[in-house]
Amino acid sequence: NAGVTQTPKFQVLKTGQSMTLQCAQDMNHEYMSWYRQDPGMGLRLIHYSVGAGITDQGEVPNGYNVSRSTTEDFPLRLLSAAPSQTSVYFCASSYQGDEKLFFGSGTQLSVL
Amino acid sequence: GESVGLHLPTLSVQEGDNSIINCAYSNSASDYFIWYKQESGKGPQFIIDIRSNMDKRQGQRVTVLLNKTVKHLSLQIAATQPGDSAVYFCAENISGYSTLTFGKGTMLLVSP
Repeated sequence: NAGVTQTPKFQVLKTGQSMTLQCAQDMNHEYMSWYRQDPGMGLRLIHYSVGAGITDQGEVPNGYNVSRSTTEDFPLRLLSAAPSQTSVYFCASSYQGDEKLFFGSGTQLSVL
Repeated sequence: GESVGLHLPTLSVQEGDNSIINCAYSNSASDYFIWYKQESGKGPQFIIDIRSNMDKRQGQRVTVLLNKTVKHLSLQIAATQPGDSAVYFCAENISGYSTLTFGKGTMLLVSP
């Protein structure tokens, strides 16, 4: 049981490049979400999903897209990376109705 | 602004001391609160949680206290160990959709 798996662990992009951060969970959790963490700040919610085919915006959704085609996977897409998106990104999941989130180990992204 | 915040950004203690990490929240509608521990380079790990119908909850070496009158949450760690050194985040849930709102975090430094 791997829990929540994020890839890659580190990524460097140039401004304007696109990429997808991968997140997969093997706990059959309905709920999945993406957070970003910036120095001196708490985690801020980007997007979340309450089940396959359903996504919604969080606190800071601009510049990011998500989709949820399966229960297991919840990729986060940056269509045109900007330096302001330099951050550490965490994926999390939980059973629907259970507020306790399980987090992945994070992806450290730098946009130059 | 943040609806969940912390009073102390850094707390330094000696091994064996008891540690208290504080958190203030502003939304009286919050019905669930949770503490996470984050070690360097890792994702947040669940420590303990509490619902608004409780004032206190105990775990192994940790206790969470909730004072709804003054909208205050605290995490007490007994007999603090060097392995407890980490950043601690409090978070609250309002919507019931597992969309936690996080505070900025407190770094706990434990000296041997």
